[in-house]
Amino acid sequence: ETGVTQTPRHLVMGMTNKKSLKCEQHLGHNAMYWYKQSAKKPLELMFVYSLEERVENNSVPSRFSPECPNSSHLFLHLHTLQPEDSALYLCASSQERWSGELFFGEGSRLTVL
Amino acid sequence: QKEVEQDPGPLSVPEGAIVSLNCTYSNSAFQYFMWYRQYSRKGPELLMYTYSSGNKEDGRFTAQVDKSSKYISLFIRDSQPSDSATYLCAMSPRPGGSYIPTFGRGTSLIVHP
Repeated sequence: ETGVTQTPRHLVMGMTNKKSLKCEQHLGHNAMYWYKQSAKKPLELMFVYSLEERVENNSVPSRFSPECPNSSHLFLHLHTLQPEDSALYLCASSQERWSGELFFGEGSRLTVL
Repeated sequence: QKEVEQDPGPLSVPEGAIVSLNCTYSNSAFQYFMWYRQYSRKGPELLMYTYSSGNKEDGRFTAQVDKSSKYISLFIRDSQPSDSATYLCAMSPRPGGSYIPTFGRGTSLIVHP
């Protein structure tokens, strides 16, 4: 495996479900990010982790809960989501926090019914 | 006024055309400018970056920055159907530290044979 891998690629969930998105980076980077991408809107930064410490939390609703157990893995736990949370969720990593190039995964397409 | 403006398109051109993709911005502190390319069902990947003003060329791609007009462009010469993708501009005061890049909405480009 190389680069940044995200699972699952597609997820459909009801508003009362609990699910998790997983991200793994094989690049030896020290910073990882969650972004939300909605149609015709700029990428929205959700969370930033640097050396496993959350350093940014961009006013994201508490129904989104991140977890970074080590510098290679990042999770996004989802609970009681709303239909407007349907979007593409992108994980990214970089050598250091905001060190220039972000390496993105292919994203997890989330649909909330 | 949004910090970064980018026309979402779609922009449809015939194969071989010269393509011009543009972003305007309002924050005069921006000096680091990036272009990401995102193919359908993939994550964004860094295409080019420039620091401060001027032009940068890489094969068929040229990135141009006009700081006096707060305007950046990406030119694609001899466009190919494989260039069909969404192009996102991103910018920050500089790479690294606590400078979070600001993304545009992305422009969808379609190059038809």
